[in-house]
Amino acid sequence: NAGVTQTPKFQVLKTGQSMTLQCAQDMNHEYMSWYRQDPGMGLRLIHYSVGAGITDQGEVPNGYNVSRSTTEDFPLRLLSAAPSQTSVYFCASSDRDRGYTFGSGTRLTVV
Amino acid sequence: GESVGLHLPTLSVQEGDNSIINCAYSNSASDYFIWYKQESGKGPQFIIDIRSNMDKRQGQRVTVLLNKTVKHLSLQIAATQPGDSAVYFCAEGHSGYALNFGKGTSLLVTP
Repeated sequence: NAGVTQTPKFQVLKTGQSMTLQCAQDMNHEYMSWYRQDPGMGLRLIHYSVGAGITDQGEVPNGYNVSRSTTEDFPLRLLSAAPSQTSVYFCASSDRDRGYTFGSGTRLTVV
Repeated sequence: GESVGLHLPTLSVQEGDNSIINCAYSNSASDYFIWYKQESGKGPQFIIDIRSNMDKRQGQRVTVLLNKTVKHLSLQIAATQPGDSAVYFCAEGHSGYALNFGKGTSLLVTP
């Protein structure tokens, strides 16, 4: 049982480049979300999805897009990377009765 | 807006002592609360959760207390061990989905 798998683990981008952070879960969870974590701060919600075909914005959605074509996958797209998007990104999926399961994170640096 | 906050950013305890980490929330509509542990370089790990119809829940060496009157949540760790050193986050949400995380308390266990 892999849980929540994020790829890549590390990424360096140049300003203006685009990329997709991958997230997959094998627990058949309906709810998935993306967070970013900056030094000394908690997790801030970027986007979330309550099921396939349904997505919504969180606290800090600007500069990011998501889609949810399947229950298993929830990719996060950076449209035009900026240094302010340097952060650690966590994907999580949720079973309503047991809280979130988090991936191990993607450490993104934008130069 | 609504917020989740922590009373202390850092907590230092001696090995074997009990630890108490506190959290305040302001959204009276929140009905689900979770505590997470995050070790350096890893994603948050679920510790324990509690629903608003309870005021206490116990796990293995951990207890969560919920005081809805003053909107306060606490995590008690019994016989704290060096492996408990980490950052602890509280999170609050609705209908089983945690949406809002606090900034975290760093717990340092000293020998």
